[in-house]
Amino acid sequence: ETGVTQSPTHLIKTRGQQVTLRCSSQSGHNTVSWYQQALGQGPQFIFQYYREEENGRGNFPPRFSGLQFPNYSSELNVNALELDDSALYLCASSYGTAAANEKLFFGSGTQLSVL
Amino acid sequence: AQKVTQAQTEISVVEKEDVTLDCVYETRDTTYYLFWYKQPPSGELVFLIRRNSFDEQNEISGRYSWNFQKSTSSFNFTITASQVVDSAVYFCALLDSSYKLIFGSGTRLLVRP
Repeated sequence: ETGVTQSPTHLIKTRGQQVTLRCSSQSGHNTVSWYQQALGQGPQFIFQYYREEENGRGNFPPRFSGLQFPNYSSELNVNALELDDSALYLCASSYGTAAANEKLFFGSGTQLSVL
Repeated sequence: AQKVTQAQTEISVVEKEDVTLDCVYETRDTTYYLFWYKQPPSGELVFLIRRNSFDEQNEISGRYSWNFQKSTSSFNFTITASQVVDSAVYFCALLDSSYKLIFGSGTRLLVRP
């Protein structure tokens, strides 16, 4: 048990739609990161939030956006879905800003399928 | 460029065999961190180990051991006396200077009874 919960576990959308994925972290975890894992690949960093501010972003277009809330929950929003957005989306949290000093606790992910 | 390479896509062993998973990394940073994660079928990534670039001591934890060699930019992971429950995808990862994890493509380990 990592204390990181993601919902929903599975989701099916059609191309062009918008989707919101949710993550609930442990109390005190001020940093949340989102990763996209395509089938057969390693996770790719999307972005990171610290105390409700984005403080790092990977090579993803602006239609990928996020929010972090004071109650240690967060959201990943994806607009104008494309077929290539089909993937497992992983949320990870930690106490501080640097993963080097603490472990990242990962959720089990949301499997998104775009048809 | 920062990069992690896991050349072994899939490994299949019989229970009780030893198995080594290879990881080679590239980085320009002098200070960096390396990780191994396990991903069982449930999907969540399970932390196994973190090693910083100044600590080249090998580490053993139960049936797991890690061999970090800066000279060859490798951070290999060995499971001794493998068990069926070890079957999973294993990822090696590098923490870059902006604190994001760069993962390799993973090695799928199948331990057969």
